[in-house]
Amino acid sequence: EAQVTQNPRYLITVTGKKLTVTCSQNMNHEYMSWYRQDPGLGLRQIYYSMNVEVTDKGDVPEGYKVSRKEKRNFPLILESPSPNQTSLYFCASRTIQGNSYGYTFGSGTRLTVV
Amino acid sequence: LAKTTQPISMDSYEGQEVNITCSHNNIATNDYITWYQQFPSQGPRFIIQGYKTKVTNEVASLFIPADRKSSTLSLPRVSLSDTAVYYCLVGDKGQAGTALIFGKGTTLSVSS
Repeated sequence: EAQVTQNPRYLITVTGKKLTVTCSQNMNHEYMSWYRQDPGLGLRQIYYSMNVEVTDKGDVPEGYKVSRKEKRNFPLILESPSPNQTSLYFCASRTIQGNSYGYTFGSGTRLTVV
Repeated sequence: LAKTTQPISMDSYEGQEVNITCSHNNIATNDYITWYQQFPSQGPRFIIQGYKTKVTNEVASLFIPADRKSSTLSLPRVSLSDTAVYYCLVGDKGQAGTALIFGKGTTLSVSS
């Protein structure tokens, strides 16, 4: 089944403790992206990657890092999480070839930083 | 990306047809119109995409008038499981790196 898999689904952590949220897609998509969703603010892009070793900042990159060493994986790294990073996070992917249509989103990771 | 305007919420009953209209006055020549559905605590799911006239798939229809300044998502015979938030997005299909601006979407509530 074609899908984007995020792990973990739920995570509670303490301020300052480094964490990584993994994202993996099995569709050979070139493009991958991370979003956070907050009440009243909608979905906002954090980082995106057009292909392996190519990443760029989205609208709200502060406090986050990403890497794209393999085509299928795009982990989101919080070096020193803070409570304002408590949010629902989504990873998305799509191909940039041909007549592709939609983005495929993961099921989400609900992060709580205390 | 062109800005979109949708109703904040809509109510319907099971079995009815629901039409959600999206306004995008500043749509560019290369822009496509895409609709996503999102259930609580789940990622958005692609529903349908179109450029002009009418597009239909197994889930919905998308009507786009000649001036392309608006579009209407039509959900035939909705059920309780269609209760969700629906987002209208406008952008160039080829620009994969462009951020998807979801806005607040339309919350559809279907009752029995």
